Amino acid sequence: AQSVTQLDSQVPVFEEAPVELRCNYSSSVSVYLFWYVQYPNQGLQLLLKYLSGSTLVKGINGFEAEFNKSQTSFHLRKPSVHISDTAEYFCAVRLQGGSEKLVFGKGTKLTVNP
Amino acid sequence: EAGVAQSPRYKIIEKRQSVAFWCNPISGHATLYWYQQILGQGPKLLIQFQNNGVVDDSQLPKDRFSAERLKGVDSTLKIQPAKLEDSAVYLCASSYGRQYEQYFGPGTRLTVT
Repeated sequence: AQSVTQLDSQVPVFEEAPVELRCNYSSSVSVYLFWYVQYPNQGLQLLLKYLSGSTLVKGINGFEAEFNKSQTSFHLRKPSVHISDTAEYFCAVRLQGGSEKLVFGKGTKLTVNP
Repeated sequence: EAGVAQSPRYKIIEKRQSVAFWCNPISGHATLYWYQQILGQGPKLLIQFQNNGVVDDSQLPKDRFSAERLKGVDSTLKIQPAKLEDSAVYLCASSYGRQYEQYFGPGTRLTVT
């Protein structure tokens, strides 16, 4: 069975600072990788995804992530954060084939302070 | 294009009562998902429909939870009877197909007292 570990439950940063949210996964089969963002009292919104090809993936709102197969990681980065980036971020994997269901990590709460 | 609609947004019930949630997916989306998100955790898939057939319900507590998707469009998720540990946000999502992006609704926050 696959699993997702988000190494930090909370990450506080100052506005305009860079940030990295870490995600590691384990799976015996090939997976697709996703990052979702959840603002308070809202559903999840897709930030970016890795399906194949270039291991550096760019998403919305200036976020990017790099797939590292040898380290089974998919860390999310942003060079300069804004107050509006304050939210919960979820890493997820999806098995290739079968029901194609998403398995989520526990989430990382990013708080951007002025 | 309208998003995934869910109702109610909030519900408070006492334990052993029953409750139902409703989801209207994006028009044309064949696949519909129900997730349970307990505070401090990521969403967990409860059940996945392809049109009106069940694809995966391996994590649905079938002794108290049930779900249906009549006519392959709207869906309802029911809990009967509710337990304290069912307090969570219930998210509905839909996608064009299994391999396509999932779009999430705003969720229903259930509190069981």
